[in-house]
Amino acid sequence: EAGVVQSPRYKIIEKKQPVAFWCNPISGHNTLYWYLQNLGQGPELLIRYENEEAVDDSQLPKDRFSAERLKGVDSTLKIQPAELGDSAVYLCASSLSPSENIQYFGAGTRLSVL
Amino acid sequence: SQQGEEDPQALSIQEGENATMNCSYKTSINNLQWYRQNSGRGLVHLILIRSNEREKHSGRLRVTLDTSKKSSSLLITASRAADTASYFCAVSGGSNYQLIWGAGTKLIIKP
Repeated sequence: EAGVVQSPRYKIIEKKQPVAFWCNPISGHNTLYWYLQNLGQGPELLIRYENEEAVDDSQLPKDRFSAERLKGVDSTLKIQPAELGDSAVYLCASSLSPSENIQYFGAGTRLSVL
Repeated sequence: SQQGEEDPQALSIQEGENATMNCSYKTSINNLQWYRQNSGRGLVHLILIRSNEREKHSGRLRVTLDTSKKSSSLLITASRAADTASYFCAVSGGSNYQLIWGAGTKLIIKP
């Protein structure tokens, strides 16, 4: 069974540039999560999807961050424009459902904003 | 805010020794989970313990849960170099089962 796939693995951009991250969850997993992880810290939830519906985006900085999950499968997280403080690892995870909440993570995208 | 808090922040032991990490949390939970993260990689689920369970085993891992003290511990027995990683606890509470993560314990196993 294929795991959660994220791309790219690394991204270096200059501040004020846009950037996008892509995630393909495990087949059959209805719940998809985007997390931000700073060095030495645990993951912080940005947004959670149930199928194609964003059910928890309270921590998503909506002035510059956006996300979508078309057809309830793949998801894209975008930052526009990026700021220096956005440098972090962006993790995508999926689970069967909210209550069956063992989460399976991708390898993450390490973003460096210069 | 991060609800699960691990202790210690870092732990360095000799290969073959046992490693114990602790997690404290603040509210009632549905379950508590432990994950491992190797350097530069995503997180891998290790074990889940439900609020009505007190102890669980998986291979060399033993997890305990004390809901009266709002704490959990992860014991890794007979540690190996490959156990070197950061270990996170994540607590699931409320109707949305959202996981709230701690900052992790960095474990180093010396050969």
